[in-house]
Amino acid sequence: LAKTTQPISMDSYEGQEVNITCSHNNIATNDYITWYQQFPSQGPRFIIQGYKTKVTNEVASLFIPADRKSSTLSLPRVSLSDTAVYYCLVITNAGKSTFGDGTTLTVKP
Amino acid sequence: EAGVTQFPSHSVIEKGQTVTLRCDPISGHDNLYWYRRVMGKEIKFLLHFVKESKQDESGMPNNRFLAERTGGTYSTLKVQPAELEDSGVYFCASSQVGSTIQETQYFGPGTRLLVL
Repeated sequence: LAKTTQPISMDSYEGQEVNITCSHNNIATNDYITWYQQFPSQGPRFIIQGYKTKVTNEVASLFIPADRKSSTLSLPRVSLSDTAVYYCLVITNAGKSTFGDGTTLTVKP
Repeated sequence: EAGVTQFPSHSVIEKGQTVTLRCDPISGHDNLYWYRRVMGKEIKFLLHFVKESKQDESGMPNNRFLAERTGGTYSTLKVQPAELEDSGVYFCASSQVGSTIQETQYFGPGTRLLVL
């Protein structure tokens, strides 16, 4: 399984765009990159998934360079309720994934 | 549509006792996963069912853990006998079987287990 590395924590202010980058140097050809959000006392919640280039949905964008050794989750105009832990996962073609330590995002007023 | 549910939400037991955790996946999801986070560590994969079959149980820590999914619907994870180091949060997730195995996994709220 490809190991992921993310910053332990980030701070931001309401209304700003937040970019969280994850390294996954050993990603395999068929692996996908997925990001989850977790609030205290809850299970991880799916945010976005991609294989390469750019993916956008109603809550976030995911940028993946051509070598796929990293990915960046972009959260536009964060609010206080976006304070959470964000996990970058690499999922194999067998459906197996490993969570890293995650990035604790704190959004301040 | 109901999400993944887990029961109980919390469990406090003594070392040596048995505990059974239950997971009800989203209806129609054939993939079911168990994960756990023990104190201070990352969330780790335990095993993966496809319907009632164990597809991958490489993450199961030892033979004190038994997972079942009879009938391919809900799943149970039994810990017998429980040890102090089993304390943590146990998550269940489910996903559809689609064109790629990397279908989105939907997580339950977790069961918080404390072994005293």
